[in-house]
Amino acid sequence: DADVTQTPRNRITKTGKRIMLECSQTKGHDRMYWYRQDPGLGLRLIYYSFDVKDINKGEISDGYSVSRQAQAKFSLSLESAIPNQTALYFCATSDPAGEETQYFGPGTRLLVL
Amino acid sequence: ELKVEQNPLFLSMQEGKNYTIYCNYSTTSDRLYWYRQDPGKSLESLFVLLSNGAVKQEGRLMASLDTKARLSTLHITAAVHDLSATYFCAVDTRGSNYKLTFGKGTLLTVNP
Repeated sequence: DADVTQTPRNRITKTGKRIMLECSQTKGHDRMYWYRQDPGLGLRLIYYSFDVKDINKGEISDGYSVSRQAQAKFSLSLESAIPNQTALYFCATSDPAGEETQYFGPGTRLLVL
Repeated sequence: ELKVEQNPLFLSMQEGKNYTIYCNYSTTSDRLYWYRQDPGKSLESLFVLLSNGAVKQEGRLMASLDTKARLSTLHITAAVHDLSATYFCAVDTRGSNYKLTFGKGTLLTVNP
């Protein structure tokens, strides 16, 4: 079984709709991250959480919110989706006790019409 | 603000040839990472480089780090088609609370 899972894997939604992307991990890592990937722009950090009570904005947090329900779960919400939020979204985890390598989930492909 | 630049962004090479991808970053780093991404797939960790002069090798890929020059290289030896992918470097720093900043990626295509 995959260590970092994301649901859904693909989602089509309409402008103005609220949607939630979910991430779960079995690696036991405290740190979790949400990124978006756009062609030609690499990965950009949306939010990150170093433990259940610690949530921080990343480079591009406007229009997004997150919830860290447990050590293993970190959800990303788009309160009112807009077309320029169409992207590939990745969740990642890392262990501060190690080399801090980030382990990525399979990604969620989101299309906002 | 930490900036990470990769070049080239696109690389088309023939099987059997050697080439190098460069990753420059703008401030003192604590760790440098190389990732691979196959089309439509997730990112896979390749290397973590922690100190000046660090060199790591896996198969036909070798990564090195020069912290004084703020430069890492990913060298490809005798390329094969299976190495076709996008390669990202990423840097974190204590000053950025260990958040990763990614380069834009290098799309490598290895032709027969």
